[in-house]
Amino acid sequence: NAGVTQTPKFQVLKTGQSMTLQCAQDMNHNSMYWYRQDPGMGLRLIYYSASEGTTDKGEVPNGYNVSRLNKREFSLRLESAAPSQTSVYFCASSDAGDRAFFGQGTRLTVV
Amino acid sequence: AQSVTQPDIHITVSEGASLELRCNYSYGATPYLFWYVQSPGQGLQLLLKYFSGDTLVQGIKGFEAEFKRSQSSFNLRKPSVHWSDAAEYFCAGASGGSYIPTFGRGTSLIVHP
Repeated sequence: NAGVTQTPKFQVLKTGQSMTLQCAQDMNHNSMYWYRQDPGMGLRLIYYSASEGTTDKGEVPNGYNVSRLNKREFSLRLESAAPSQTSVYFCASSDAGDRAFFGQGTRLTVV
Repeated sequence: AQSVTQPDIHITVSEGASLELRCNYSYGATPYLFWYVQSPGQGLQLLLKYFSGDTLVQGIKGFEAEFKRSQSSFNLRKPSVHWSDAAEYFCAGASGGSYIPTFGRGTSLIVHP
């Protein structure tokens, strides 16, 4: 029972490099989300996708792009990484209004 | 704006003592409310949720929460804390057409032996 799977678990980038965080869920959920977690800030929503083919900005979208590739997969891309994007990133999925299921997180460091 | 507030950044309790973690919400309509727990280096695990009906909600690991509309609160309680309960606790709400989960800043629970 995989749930929500994120890759990679850890990543170190140099400033200006790009990368894509992958997320897949096997629960047939319509909604998927990307959050970042920083100390004392809780989880802040970067982007979400309410259904396949749609994406919308959350609270902190600057510097990120997303793709809802299909119902299962929702990727997050950093085009030009900055030290301010050092964070732990969580992907989650849910059926609207119900509890969210979370991946294990990606710890990203930008140097 | 719709929001969830956790007023306490850190809470310290002794093992065996009772626990209450505070959560206040600000929504136009009654939101769906959740409590999650995060152990170090892990993702978030759902403790309990409130959608409607009985305002006292039972969850896993002996936790419960009470929805109080008059106080816009959804506080998490446990009668006797165990050392393994030390973790970060997040309150979350979801409402409106999209029901996007919005999280509080979290409360770090420290348990003294």
